[in-house]
Order: sequence, then structure tokens, then C-alpha cells
Amino acid sequence: NAGVTQTPKFRILKIGQSMTLQCTQDMNHNYMYWYRQDPGMGLKLIYYSVGAGITDKGEVPNGYNVSRSTTEDFPLRLELAAPSQTSVYFCASVGGLGNQPQHFGDGTRLSIL
Amino acid sequence: AQSVTQLGSHVSVSEGALVLLRCNYSSSVPPYLFWYVQYPNQGLQLLLKYTTGATLVKGINGFEAEFKKSETSFHLTKPSAHMSDAAEYFCAVTTGNQFYFGTGTSLTVIP
Repeated sequence: NAGVTQTPKFRILKIGQSMTLQCTQDMNHNYMYWYRQDPGMGLKLIYYSVGAGITDKGEVPNGYNVSRSTTEDFPLRLELAAPSQTSVYFCASVGGLGNQPQHFGDGTRLSIL
Repeated sequence: AQSVTQLGSHVSVSEGALVLLRCNYSSSVPPYLFWYVQYPNQGLQLLLKYTTGATLVKGINGFEAEFKKSETSFHLTKPSAHMSDAAEYFCAVTTGNQFYFGTGTSLTVIP
């Protein structure tokens, strides 16, 4: 049971570079989320999706873009990397609303220098 | 809007002592509440959840939490701490399609 898979696990970028963080889930979950985790700040929601073709902004969307062309995949794109985007990024999914918990990937640790 | 407050960003207990991690929430409608644990370099794993029904919820690894509506609290407890409990713990609330997390409590267990 793979669950939620994130790639890569680690990455170092230079300022101004772009990259895509990959997230895929094999649980047929409709709802998917991207968070960033900074020390002492908990998890901040970047974007989320309630199904294929539907995405919406979270609390901290600036500097990021997402797409949801399939139920399984929810990639997060950084277009012009900035040092402020150095963080640990987590993807999560949930099958239904309300009483269902989120399932998390192991994270992508991104450093921008 | 919903929000979560975790009092105490760092908690230290002796091995075998009671663990108490505090969580208070703000919600305009009945919430669903969760506790997650995060070990170093890993994602968040579900410890337990409250949806409806019994207010005392039992989770994995001997943890439990009690939903107290009058106090808007969902504190996490474990009678006897084990070294393997050292981790970061997050409380979360949802009433719809978004989840709101506290800032986390780092638990240290002293041998």
C-alpha cells in the first residue's frame, strides 16, 4: 500500500530556478492538499483540490501553482524560486469530508540558495 | 473560521510519567478533531480522531484524548511515557474541506 508518494525527497535550488514537486496517491481520494511546514509554524495550506480539474488557494499560495488533471496526481510548481520558499512541503489526501483524516506523504525538503 | 491553539511548543516528561499535550480549538460549528504525530524526517501519522459520539477517544500507542465542548478543548494524554513517544504532535480541526493545524508540540522523554 503506497498511500501518498512525494518526489523528490530532497532538492536544492538556486534563486530564480523553477521546479515541480510531485505528489501521487493510490487511494482514489478526491481531496488533495499541499502544505508547507516551517519550524514553529505548524502546517500552512498552499493549495488544495476537491477533485480532478478543480483547485483552490489556501492560506499561502503566492509563488506557487498547482494542477489536477487526474484523481491520482497533484503536482506543485514553483516558478521563480525564492529563499522564502525554503521549507518542507507535504502533500496530503483524504477520501471524504468531515470525519476522515488526511493521509500524508513523507515530505519534500527544499532549500533555495 | 476555525483555528487551533496548542499551548506549549515544547514539553518534557520523564519516562513513565503522564503525558499531557494541550489543544484548544475555535469553531463556529461542531468540529471534527484530530491528533497527529510526526517523527523526524517523516510525514504526519494519525494518532486518533473525534467525530461524534463518545467524547473520550482512544488512539494508537496508548494515547487518548477527551473532547470537551464547554472548554473547546481536545487535550491528548498518555498515562506512562515511553522513549519512543518523543516526537512532534499536531492537533487539527476541520468542519469542511480544509484542515487547520496547531503549531505543534515537541515532546521530549527523559530517561
